Amino acid sequence: EVQLVESGGGLIQPGGSLRLSCAASGFTVSSNYMSWVRLAPGKGLEWVSLIHSGGNTYYADSVKGRFTISRDNSKNTLYLQMNSLRAEDTALYFCARGLTIFGLVRYASDIWGQGTMVTVSS
Amino acid sequence: SYVLTQPPSVSVAPGQTARITCGGNNIGNKGVHWYQQKPGQAPVLVVYDDRDRPSGIPERISGSNFGNTATLTISRVEAGDEADYYCQVWDSYSNHVVFGGGTKLTVL
Repeated sequence: EVQLVESGGGLIQPGGSLRLSCAASGFTVSSNYMSWVRLAPGKGLEWVSLIHSGGNTYYADSVKGRFTISRDNSKNTLYLQMNSLRAEDTALYFCARGLTIFGLVRYASDIWGQGTMVTVSS
Repeated sequence: SYVLTQPPSVSVAPGQTARITCGGNNIGNKGVHWYQQKPGQAPVLVVYDDRDRPSGIPERISGSNFGNTATLTISRVEAGDEADYYCQVWDSYSNHVVFGGGTKLTVL
């Protein structure tokens, strides 16, 4: 079964760091582009970061320089290292698999995890 | 940066047709994707590339995109369609994924 399971969320003080993990099963993370998307309380979906199969990475302006997306091919796992956390980073964080059709990247996400909650508060 | 504009809410009676719009500058030149999200659940891709449906998505859900507006149409609306709906594009100028603000569909 194709599945994504996030972990690593929790309560963290402002200025702290946290690393989120996203374990994949049923497909190979390194063969797909993968994204992190977050949902803050009372807000809409916000894209956070993306990593292409080739390794290129992209970030939303709100997290650039503070967050780093990466993957461990041996563990078939995606990561999001979050540093210098702020109250406005409080959200449910989802990882998602990018949709590729006949080898073409569509920039839609067809498989999503259930999310892991990050709360930044003193 | 590229901006997508959605109405905050749309209400429709069961059995009627719901139309949710997504406005953007020349959005007709981009591929638009739509997601359905119910409370406490992960988003579900319901339309990609303007009008294509992933397997398992019913034919009464359809999409279109022309000019400055993309539209998600849900025919014969059911109570189970009540959810938040988001449009999304890839902005190749900024290399950013962009989501619309979301539309809450209420089934009366």
